[in-house]
Amino acid sequence: EADIYQTPRYLVIGTGKKITLECSQTMGHDKMYWYQQDPGMELHLIHYSYGVNSTEKGDLSSESTVSRIRTEHFPLTLESARPSHTSQYLCASSETDRWDEQYFGPGTRLTVT
Amino acid sequence: GDSVTQMEGPVTLSEEAFLTINCTYTATGYPSLFWYVQYPGEGLQLLLKATKADDKGSNKGFEATYRKETTSFHLEKGSVQVSDSAVYFCALSDRGGGFKTIFGAGTRLFVKA
Repeated sequence: EADIYQTPRYLVIGTGKKITLECSQTMGHDKMYWYQQDPGMELHLIHYSYGVNSTEKGDLSSESTVSRIRTEHFPLTLESARPSHTSQYLCASSETDRWDEQYFGPGTRLTVT
Repeated sequence: GDSVTQMEGPVTLSEEAFLTINCTYTATGYPSLFWYVQYPGEGLQLLLKATKADDKGSNKGFEATYRKETTSFHLEKGSVQVSDSAVYFCALSDRGGGFKTIFGAGTRLFVKA
């Protein structure tokens, strides 16, 4: 059973607010990822990390930022939320030896009004 | 660049029917291929995997064979259940492309009792 957690599960927030989506895993995985899933279900990689103090932008440009100060924690921050940020955000992790097998959290559904 | 194309949904079947979801890929290297499943309100779960040509991945009655000659990795199940209703994602990973996974657009499956 994968142990990767995301909070909150659902968030409705007004335009201009700063938000942080939390992602934590207890498996000691070094690689972590953030995906944005659009209503058509397609996944877009927006950020990833190979380990502590490593962060990279993904294939889809995003106004969000991430940090990786601890192995188990990979939060995503939006400084000023906009309605275009409304989406499902999925966090995932993978281990060094099986880096291509990703474990996903349950997701955060964000609505910006 | 690498890409994955899977059949559009939704696919609607009656319980105990045979399931096929088509998936084809393009890759410059020698990718590993995956099927992930997303149940309502949850993140993705790895369903099965194949790492080289002619490998067959299988799990929970689902199976898929890595066909290099047709660049395909079709998902099959002999007898679907209502509990199989979910979104299925075909994916590939290629170390040459960095530690990232390319996902297809997803195929929604509805199984009727």
